Amino acid sequence: GAVVSQHPSWVICKSGTSVKIECRSLDFQATTMFWYRQFPKQSLMLMATSNEGSKATYEQGVEKDKFLINHASLTLSTLTVTSAHPEDSSFYICSARDGRTPYEQYFGPGTRLTVT
Amino acid sequence: AQSVTQLGSHVSVSEGALVLLRCNYSSSVPPYLFWYVQYPNQGLQLLLKYTTGATLVKGINGFEAEFKKSETSFPLTKPSAHMSDAAEYFCAVAGGAQKLVFGQGTRLTINP
Repeated sequence: GAVVSQHPSWVICKSGTSVKIECRSLDFQATTMFWYRQFPKQSLMLMATSNEGSKATYEQGVEKDKFLINHASLTLSTLTVTSAHPEDSSFYICSARDGRTPYEQYFGPGTRLTVT
Repeated sequence: AQSVTQLGSHVSVSEGALVLLRCNYSSSVPPYLFWYVQYPNQGLQLLLKYTTGATLVKGINGFEAEFKKSETSFPLTKPSAHMSDAAEYFCAVAGGAQKLVFGQGTRLTINP
């Protein structure tokens, strides 16, 4: 149980275009979802927290207008990177909580974004 | 505020040897602590967690960790390393608003 999927697993896009990444909880309802960014050989950097039906809460320094997060249902959250630039290239990981176990998060497999 | 420090960005052990990965935490409240493993180009998988109760916590793949309150540490151990244990390991402490605060990670290399 507690499986989280991400789609796509990797994507290449041209500079200036937008890319949408989906995060789904497959066998549970996710009350909260988190989006992280990970640079090579570094730890995870939390970008934002989203609760179903409400606006995402972004971490300090994360551009809200560039990284659009939507949590439309209890099983789906999306991250849209708008007007992507090469510096947005990174590994993006989502996680989800089911609310039963305090703080425990279930992680997706990640999405590798390359902007050319 | 909560924080995590993982001592040693890279640990190398021989196959069959003891694995010891160190994690120190700072928390203003009784901590919830986690160890996650990440294989290349993959997400994080929960190895084990400490919330309350028994201080020695057993996880998957033969790993265990001990909550040491007096030392504010949560070291991860495995008696005998296997080649498949080679990965990146992250210690995390529960922060505010249901967030996790991660350490910098420790890359574990297993020598044949």
